[in-house]
Amino acid sequence: QVQLVQSGAEVKKPGASVKISCKASGYTFTDYYVHWVRLSPGHGLEWLGWINPNRGGSVSAQKFQGWVTMTRDTSINTSYLEMSRLTPDDTAVYYCARTVRLLEWSDAFDLWGQGTQVVVSS
Amino acid sequence: VLTQSPGTLSLSPGERATLSCRASQTVSLYLAWYQKKPGQSPRLLIYGASTRATGIPDRFSGSGSGTDFTLTISRLEPEDFAIYYCQQYGASGSVTFGGGTTVEI
Repeated sequence: QVQLVQSGAEVKKPGASVKISCKASGYTFTDYYVHWVRLSPGHGLEWLGWINPNRGGSVSAQKFQGWVTMTRDTSINTSYLEMSRLTPDDTAVYYCARTVRLLEWSDAFDLWGQGTQVVVSS
Repeated sequence: VLTQSPGTLSLSPGERATLSCRASQTVSLYLAWYQKKPGQSPRLLIYGASTRATGIPDRFSGSGSGTDFTLTISRLEPEDFAIYYCQQYGASGSVTFGGGTTVEI
């Protein structure tokens, strides 16, 4: 079954970091870029960036540069999103998503993870 | 920047829904539409401005190019009441989403 399965909900204190995983199955992991998106009441849908699972290169949205890191482990078909220096404004549901076309970062997303709720609160 | 209008559309089942998405600069045809329901992940409806994604009913259609785009739902079914987002994925090396349109009964 083609799917992306994300790690479970997280509760963090302000200033902490969080690392979310996204495990791919049912397709060749290194053939499709993985993007990260978050949804919050205050900001709607926001794009965080993408990672190329094949080469490991990544690009973050300008707003998130310096405090978002995207990595992957090809041995277990898993992508990771790590965010540091969390604030309550980062409370959101975080999604990983796969592109429609092979080897193309600039694309729509046809496969989404189930979402990971992150709550940042003191 | 993607601006969606209206913010909320109040319609009845069987009616036609017309949603708009306007880009602040041209995105060519690099425009997608998603449906979002509470507790579910976004679902891709349309990409390339007018191509329906796999399994999407033909009552959903997309049109437009450049800066002005439209998502049309020809006859609303009860399961179509949701939030709809447009997304551009070609301009300035980044991806952005519109603020969403809520289609409510």
